[in-house]
Amino acid sequence: DIRVTQSPSSLSASLGDRVTITCRASQRLSNCLNWYQLKPGKAPTLLISAASSLQSGVPSRFSGSGSGTDFTLTITNLQPEDLAAYYCQQTYSSPYTFGQGTKLEI
Amino acid sequence: EVQLVESGGGLVQPGGSLRLSCAASGFSLNDYGMHWVRQVPGKGLEWVSGISWNSGSLDYVDSVKGRFTISRDNANNSLNLHMNSLREDDTAVYYCVKDIQRSHAPYAFDMWGQGTRVTVSS
Repeated sequence: DIRVTQSPSSLSASLGDRVTITCRASQRLSNCLNWYQLKPGKAPTLLISAASSLQSGVPSRFSGSGSGTDFTLTITNLQPEDLAAYYCQQTYSSPYTFGQGTKLEI
Repeated sequence: EVQLVESGGGLVQPGGSLRLSCAASGFSLNDYGMHWVRQVPGKGLEWVSGISWNSGSLDYVDSVKGRFTISRDNANNSLNLHMNSLREDDTAVYYCVKDIQRSHAPYAFDMWGQGTRVTVSS
């Protein structure tokens, strides 16, 4: 199975900050990596697909980059509504594993 | 409203069975691969199973192979997960998830339900 190591596991930041979350895969994924946002009591949301494609309706302060084994989710100008957990997922091969998650506190 | 709504969760004893269902509204499931993803309380996400748009291809994580069966009913716009021989480590919130594409192999999950809680305990 492909292991996806996500860091940090938790992150404290201030409004207006720029934060970066990384995922490292145990083997090359091409660009087969997605990012999701989870908020308590709400359905999870797809933020970024194929490493860097911003989903419709997602604010442009979210961006994704990377290919191969190293990927990054960047949030600029942090807003209160960005308080959430963030997960990466590889869709290169089954089983389609997720990172361990990053809990963002503001 | 465009949404996925899961049902069928609950408390079951180890070795028991449950059938989870997912109803889609506001759109047709016909053209999309569908999946189940679970989250152990306080822990991370785990992909459980996927099915192609026409049920022609199925896939499961190793830990549920032989115990869980995914199926879909496009005529009724629904997805199911039959869970047998349940174990305590199957305790989780189970999410019904829509893929962007038709295959059982996911591209990206662009719509999630709110989840249904399954608790396996004696």
